[in-house]
Parts: sequence; structure tokens; C-alpha cells
Amino acid sequence: DVKVTQSSRYLVKRTGEKVFLECVQDMDHENMFWYRQDPGLGLRLIYFSYDVKMKEKGDIPEGYSVSREKKERFSLILESASTNQTSMYLCASSLGSQVGSPLHFGNGTRLTVT
Amino acid sequence: DQQVKQNSPSLSVQEGRISILNCDYTNSMFDYFLWYKKYPAEGPTFLISISSIKDKNEDGRFTVFLNKSAKHLSLHIVPSQPGDSAVYFCAAKRVNTGFQKLVFGTGTRLLVSP
Repeated sequence: DVKVTQSSRYLVKRTGEKVFLECVQDMDHENMFWYRQDPGLGLRLIYFSYDVKMKEKGDIPEGYSVSREKKERFSLILESASTNQTSMYLCASSLGSQVGSPLHFGNGTRLTVT
Repeated sequence: DQQVKQNSPSLSVQEGRISILNCDYTNSMFDYFLWYKKYPAEGPTFLISISSIKDKNEDGRFTVFLNKSAKHLSLHIVPSQPGDSAVYFCAAKRVNTGFQKLVFGTGTRLLVSP
């Protein structure tokens, strides 16, 4: 069974801090994704990666960056946290580009920026 | 611009009855659709999908219907069970994009009461 692990369930950070959210998957998936979930807005794609050291902007990349140095690990970086980045962050992975390959999500990191 | 819309933020049904969750999309290029279920404090999990070459896909108690002309899909749960209480997200993608870049709706919270 695919396991996507996000290192923190809850984080509280101050405005201006640099924040790292870590995600690890154990099924050798090529694709990895970072979403944020906000009430009334659903899941919105921040960044994704289809290979090591490759990254693509999603729909809302502003204020974020990512790092994928190893296939199993995908990190989301908030360079200077702001209160509007308070949200639930969800990491996901999928196998290749097959149409029927669903996303497998981690349990999320609830980030509060004060 | 919300390309995938779930206009009902919540739905309440009684155990044993049918639950119908609706989803509309605006991008006619979408050709693959998925439903995810999300429990509190967990990541979304894949439920069922449908390709645009079909108008119905069934998996046990869950059936997804696709009406391409109306750009509308629905998820039917029969019979509904209390364990089905969760937030349901529909999602859509264009197959020829090559990557699993899904566009999610805003979600519908389903409550099934005993």
C-alpha cells in the first residue's frame, strides 16, 4: 500500500519565518504534488514535480518554492511566511502519467502563521 | 476562475437512502474525471473515476454518471451508510497533458445519519 508521509501534522510559525514542509513517499512514484486546501476553495495546486530536480508551477505558486533532490522526497518551502499562507497543506504522489493512476495523499500539515 | 464547481457545500441524507453529489465543469477539454473522499485529519482518498468515452461507471455502492453535453457529473451512493460521512471532491483533467495535474472542485460535505 502506498504511503505518503508528511513530517508534521501541525505547525505554528511567525510571519517572516522560513518554513519547510517535508513529504516522503515509499512507492517509487515519479510524480509528486503540493496542494493547499482552504474552505470554499477546494484543493489548489501549488507546485508539482515529475522527476528528480524537476519542478513545475501549479496554479498558485506565489510565495512558495519546492525542492526535489531525491525521488522519494518533495519539500515545500515558504520563503517568508505570511498570514495568508495559513492553510492545510497536502502532499500527493502518483505513478507516471498513466490516466488511471490516482493521486495518493498524505494526511496533511495544518500550518498556522501568526 | 473555478473550472470545476460543486455548488452544494453540504448534503444530509438518512442511512439507507441514496446520496447524490453533483459536479459541474466549464472546460470542455477535460476528459477524465475522478471523485475523492476526505475524512477529517486525513488526506483525500481516491474513490472512483470515469473517462469521457463513458457515461457511467459503477463500483459497488458507488456510481458516477457523466453528461458531457451538460458538462455535469454526479456521484450516487446507494445505500448510504454513516461511514460515508466525509467531504467529497470531484476532480478533472485533460488526458493529453501527460501529467496527473488535476483540477479539484470545492467539495461537498456529506452527512449520513443513522
